[in-house]
Amino acid sequence: NAGVTQTPKFQVLKTGQSMTLQCAQDMNHNSMYWYRQDPGMGLRLIYYSASEGTTDKGEVPNGYNVSRLNKREFSLRLESAAPSQTSVYFCASSEWHAGGYEQYFGPGTRLTVT
Amino acid sequence: AQSVTQLDSQVPVFEEAPVELRCNYSSSVSVYLFWYVQYPNQGLQLLLKYLSGSTLVKGINGFEAEFNKSQTSFHLRKPSVHISDTAEYFCAVSLANQAGTALIFGKGTTLSVSS
Repeated sequence: NAGVTQTPKFQVLKTGQSMTLQCAQDMNHNSMYWYRQDPGMGLRLIYYSASEGTTDKGEVPNGYNVSRLNKREFSLRLESAAPSQTSVYFCASSEWHAGGYEQYFGPGTRLTVT
Repeated sequence: AQSVTQLDSQVPVFEEAPVELRCNYSSSVSVYLFWYVQYPNQGLQLLLKYLSGSTLVKGINGFEAEFNKSQTSFHLRKPSVHISDTAEYFCAVSLANQAGTALIFGKGTTLSVSS
């Protein structure tokens, strides 16, 4: 049981390049999320998918697109990278039920855009 | 909309001293509350959570937090810290009883424990 996995762990892009960050979870969770972490800003929500087949914008969606490929996988795409997108990106998944709620995080992808 | 304010960006303490990391939240509806810890260059680990019931919540590594609805606070405490507690701590809130709800995070508190 790997939990939430992310690839790659590190990436350096030049301005204008594109890339896709991959995320997968093996906990059979319905909901998945992408956050970015910047110094002094905490984590901010980029996009989320409450269930398979749905996606919605979060607080900072500009410059990103997402795809909920299936129940396990949720990818984040940067079409034309900008230096302002230099950040650490975290994927998470969650399941809510009458007994409780918790969000599980992946190890993160550290992205640098030069 | 919900929001979270962590009142201290940095908290320096000596080893074996008690510590309190303060968190206030704003919401017009019921929420769940969480504390996460992030060690250097690592991901986020859940310390504890409040969903309902007892307002005093115990978590891992000797941490506890108290939910105070009247003061809209969820402060994190530990009676005696160790060097290994040095990390960044995040308070977060989500809507209660709602599937697919995201977390809203505070900006974090850096706890530095020295000998």
